[in-house]
Amino acid sequence: NAGVTQTPKFQVLKTGQSMTLQCAQDMNHNSMYWYRQDPGMGLRLIYYSASEGTTDKGEVPNGYNVSRLNKREFSLRLESAAPSQTSVYFCASSELGQLNQPQHFGDGTRLSIL
Amino acid sequence: SQQGEEDPQALSIQEGENATMNCSYKTSINNLQWYRQNSGRGLVHLILIRSNEREKHSGRLRVTLDTSKKSSSLLITASRAADTASYFCATPRDSSYKLIFGSGTRLLVRP
Repeated sequence: NAGVTQTPKFQVLKTGQSMTLQCAQDMNHNSMYWYRQDPGMGLRLIYYSASEGTTDKGEVPNGYNVSRLNKREFSLRLESAAPSQTSVYFCASSELGQLNQPQHFGDGTRLSIL
Repeated sequence: SQQGEEDPQALSIQEGENATMNCSYKTSINNLQWYRQNSGRGLVHLILIRSNEREKHSGRLRVTLDTSKKSSSLLITASRAADTASYFCATPRDSSYKLIFGSGTRLLVRP
């Protein structure tokens, strides 16, 4: 029972490089989310997908793009990485995108940009 | 901007003691959620309390909600070393299913 799986777990990039963070969930959830967590701070929403085929911006979308590949998979892409994007990235999913639903999180991708 | 803010930022207690964390928020909500994050892991949902509820229990966890004061508290009774983690409150953004997380309370339970 994997839940939410994120790959890779760790990555080091040079400024200007691009990469895609992968996320997959096996709970048949409709809604998926990407957050970043910086030291001493809570999670900030980057992008979310209420359902397959839709994506919307969150609080901090600049410098990122997303793709909802299918119901299970939601990827986050950094087109030209910057040191300010050094962070821990979490993917989450929830059922039906409705109110009062808990979110289920992966264990994160720790990304360092030099 | 943060909707929920936890207090204290850090808490250190002895095993067996109770731990209380508080969360304040700014706008009207229909529910408030508490999550735990162990070091190096993702967040785990602990409990959800709806706006028409004042208190909710789950095992050793007790959550209260005071909508007039726009605040919530999480009480962990008879704490264990395994309760060492960061605890976050989360509230819905703009009456939607998107959540806003506070900056968390770091709890250390000393054996």
